[in-house]
Amino acid sequence: KAGVTQTPRYLIKTRGQQVTLSCSPISGHRSVSWYQQTPGQGLQFLFEYFSETQRNKGNFPGRFSGRQFSNSRSEMNVSTLELGDSALYLCASSLSSGTYQETQYFGPGTRLLVL
Amino acid sequence: GIQVEQSPPDLILQEGANSTLRCNFSDSVNNLQWFHQNPWGQLINLFYIPSGTKQNGRLSATTVATERYSLLYISSSQTTDSGVYFCAVGSGSARQLTFGSGTQLTVLP
Repeated sequence: KAGVTQTPRYLIKTRGQQVTLSCSPISGHRSVSWYQQTPGQGLQFLFEYFSETQRNKGNFPGRFSGRQFSNSRSEMNVSTLELGDSALYLCASSLSSGTYQETQYFGPGTRLLVL
Repeated sequence: GIQVEQSPPDLILQEGANSTLRCNFSDSVNNLQWFHQNPWGQLINLFYIPSGTKQNGRLSATTVATERYSLLYISSSQTTDSGVYFCAVGSGSARQLTFGSGTQLTVLP
């Protein structure tokens, strides 16, 4: 079974631009979560989607948004990019078969550099 | 929110040595995962272990949920074990994981 895939793997943007990152979960997984990793703040939760609905959101400004499609694929968008948005963006998927916690599986990440 | 502390922050070993990494958390959890982050940034699942003990080859993990800590044991270290090890916890039904700051492990040949 294929793992979590993320595209693109690397991205360079300039301040003020917007960017869209894509994540395809493991087949059959219905929950997709996004995380940001920076040297200063470490790994931080952005948001989680399930059945095309945002179920949980971290403490990030409204410039960070996401969505989930009916096939469970997810995209996240960052508008009006700032230098501090340079980071590794990681996507994770889980079965979300019920109310129980489950193993989350991570993709390879997208490295975003904002100049 | 829940706090996660990992120790030590850095660990340097000779190949063949054993090591223990610790993860303390501030509240009850129903998800605890250990990850190894490879040089390209991907988080590789090592264990899903909200309680109890598990072993996988040279690696094993123990979580004592009542005392709010987890330990990752690496025996007979190899240079390929080098990298950053993260502990992450979750509570309730939300899939949100809270990560520790990691342990940077360097195994010297």
